[in-house]
Amino acid sequence: LAKTTQPISMDSYEGQEVNITCSHNNIATNDYITWYQQFPSQGPRFIIQGYKTKVTNEVASLFIPADRKSSTLSLPRVSLSDTAVYYCLVGARNDYKLSFGAGTTVTVRA
Amino acid sequence: DTEVTQTPKHLVMGMTNKKSLKCEQHMGHRAMYWYKQKAKKPPELMFVYSYEKLSINESVPSRFSPECPNSSLLNLHLHALQPEDSALYLCASSQDKLGGGNTIYFGEGSWLTVV
Repeated sequence: LAKTTQPISMDSYEGQEVNITCSHNNIATNDYITWYQQFPSQGPRFIIQGYKTKVTNEVASLFIPADRKSSTLSLPRVSLSDTAVYYCLVGARNDYKLSFGAGTTVTVRA
Repeated sequence: DTEVTQTPKHLVMGMTNKKSLKCEQHMGHRAMYWYKQKAKKPPELMFVYSYEKLSINESVPSRFSPECPNSSLLNLHLHALQPEDSALYLCASSQDKLGGGNTIYFGEGSWLTVV
C-alpha cells in the first residue's frame, strides 16, 4: 500500500487559495489519487480524483507531476465553510484497502 | 447529500447489550465497507464485503460481527463491547475494486457510546 504524507495543519483566510501537497513516493502504476473532505461529526466526502497531470472540477483542482510521487490539492477562494480535514488517499492496486493518513486540518479564518 | 444511509445516527449501549448498526445504499455498488473513527483520528478500515462475501477483516475483535444480507445492505452486530469501542462507525460503498478509479462513498456515520 502506498503511504501518504501530508502537513498536519494549514491556516488560511477567506478568499485565498489553499494548496495542500501530499507525498506518496511508492505509488503503484495502477493507483489513483483521491482526496476527501471531512467535517466534524460527518463522513468523509469525495472531492476529486486523478491519475496524472491535472484534474479540475467545480470544487477543486488536483495537480499531479509526471513522476506521480506527490500531488497537490488546490482549493480556490476558500470560505469559512471549507474549514475541515482533508485526506489524500492512494488507491491500492487490485485490492479494496484504502488507508487514510493523518489528514490535513485546514482552518479558514475571516 | 450522501447516498449511503446509516442508522441509527446515535447509539448508547451497555457492555452487556446486543445492538446492530445498519447501512443501506442504492447505487448498485458491489463493495461495502465498515470503518471506525475515533475522535481526531483518521478512519480505520474494519471490514470489506465484495459481492456479498466478506473479503477483508482487519483483525477486528469478534465482538464486532458484520453481515451483508444483500448487495444493498450491510449490518454491524455489536455484542459485549468495551468503552474503548466508543467511536464513529462509518459505512461506505464503491462500485468494485479500487485502483481502477472507483470512488468510495461514505455515509454520515453512527455515533456509538459504550457505557
